[in-house]
Amino acid sequence: DAGITQSPRHKVTETGTPVTLRCHQTENHRYMYWYRQDPGHGLRLIHYSYGVKDTDKGEVSDGYSVSRSKTEDFLLTLESATSSQTSVYFCAIGRGVMDTEAFFGQGTRLTVV
Amino acid sequence: AQKITQTQPGMFVQEKEAVTLDCTYDTSDPSYGLFWYKQPSSGEMIFLIYQGSYDQQNATEGRYSLNFQKARKSANLVISASQLGDSAMYFCAMSATGTASKLTFGTGTRLQVTL
Repeated sequence: DAGITQSPRHKVTETGTPVTLRCHQTENHRYMYWYRQDPGHGLRLIHYSYGVKDTDKGEVSDGYSVSRSKTEDFLLTLESATSSQTSVYFCAIGRGVMDTEAFFGQGTRLTVV
Repeated sequence: AQKITQTQPGMFVQEKEAVTLDCTYDTSDPSYGLFWYKQPSSGEMIFLIYQGSYDQQNATEGRYSLNFQKARKSANLVISASQLGDSAMYFCAMSATGTASKLTFGTGTRLQVTL
């Protein structure tokens, strides 16, 4: 039981092209998050969602948009990819009592050339 | 704004020994949560332990314990009886509301367990 599936797992794209990353959960959790991981920065929050069509910005939201039309799916879109968006992207859900365990997907490695 | 500081980029520990990974935090929120995650070389993020700011006792989960000193704003992770499989990156994180929402992460500590 994976709980969270991210797709694609790896992607190489060209500067200026749009890219959409998908996060799919099977656990019906209300809260979902997108983070990026870069060397020297740990993980940083991009956007998050508290429910269907209820999203908000995180620490590093510039250049990204999100959508959540169904509870199980949280999409992250790079409208026009730049080399600075080369990163590993993690989706997470809140689990446990009061969502005290953030459960992460396996990550998507995105390279913008 | 919240901030997490992990001052140890890398640590070595011998197998079966205990090791402490340091974490200090800064926040003005009255209620918050502190978390530790493990990231092995395969890349996944594994939740280890959680401490709420109002919890009176230090959290423990098997070989992991969180040494929470509120006045010092520290939340160190203690791993007892280290195993080779403990070699990984370890991240300290916090949230303002005490739940897993909107985590702020430190830069991590790479732990290497040796024979």
